[in-house]
Amino acid sequence: AQSVTQPDIHITVSEGASLELRCNYSYGATPYLFWYVQSPGQGLQLLLKYFSGDTLVQGIKGFEAEFKRSQSSFNLRKPSVHWSDAAEYFCAVGARDSSYKLIFGSGTRLLVRP
Amino acid sequence: DTGVSQDPRHKITKRGQNVTFRCDPISEHNRLYWYRQTLGQGPEFLTYFQNEAQLEKSRLLSDRFSAERPKGSFSTLEIQRTEQGDSAMYLCASSFRQLEAFFGQGTRLTVV
Repeated sequence: AQSVTQPDIHITVSEGASLELRCNYSYGATPYLFWYVQSPGQGLQLLLKYFSGDTLVQGIKGFEAEFKRSQSSFNLRKPSVHWSDAAEYFCAVGARDSSYKLIFGSGTRLLVRP
Repeated sequence: DTGVSQDPRHKITKRGQNVTFRCDPISEHNRLYWYRQTLGQGPEFLTYFQNEAQLEKSRLLSDRFSAERPKGSFSTLEIQRTEQGDSAMYLCASSFRQLEAFFGQGTRLTVV
C-alpha cells in the first residue's frame, strides 16, 4: 500500500536560514510526488511536482525538491526562508493505477523566527 | 478561471442534522476529488469522479455520506445524521491532463 512519512512534526528556522523538509514514501512503482503548502484555515497550494525526468524539480516561491529513488525520498528545500513561508507543508504521492488520488503525509509545521 | 470554489466556507450544525457542501471545479477539469482533513493530519481521500461517474469511494465514506456530480460539472457532498466525529475540513480538488490536483479553500464543518 502507498504511504507517506513526514518524520518532522514541527521545524523552526530563523529567517534567512536554509530549510529542508523530509518526506519518505512507500510505493511499488515510480510514483508521482507532490509538495503542497497550507496556511491556517485555507486550502492547499501546489508548490512543485515530480512525474519523471530530472530528479531535481523547481517550484514556486523559491522551493525545490529532489527525488531519490534509492532512498524513497522527496525532500523539500529552500536556500533562504522568509517569514511568509511559515505554514504547514504536506508531501503527497499519487499514481496512475490508483486514479491519481493523493496519499498525504501528516504534515510538517514550519515556524520562522525573526 | 477562478480556481476551485467551495461553498460554504464554514458550517456549524447540530448533531443529527443533514448538511450539504458544494464544489465547483476548474472548468474543463474532468476529475474531481473529495478529501477530509482533521486537525493536525493530512487530507484523506474520500471519493473520486471522472466526469459524472463516481469511480472510487474510500472506506472512510460511510453510508451516511453521499456524493454526486450531475452532468460532470459541480459536485455535492451530503452528510446525513451528522456526528461529532464528522467535524473536519472537507476539501475538493480537480484535475485534468496535467495530473496535478488543484484544491479549493475547503469547507470547515463543526458538529455541536
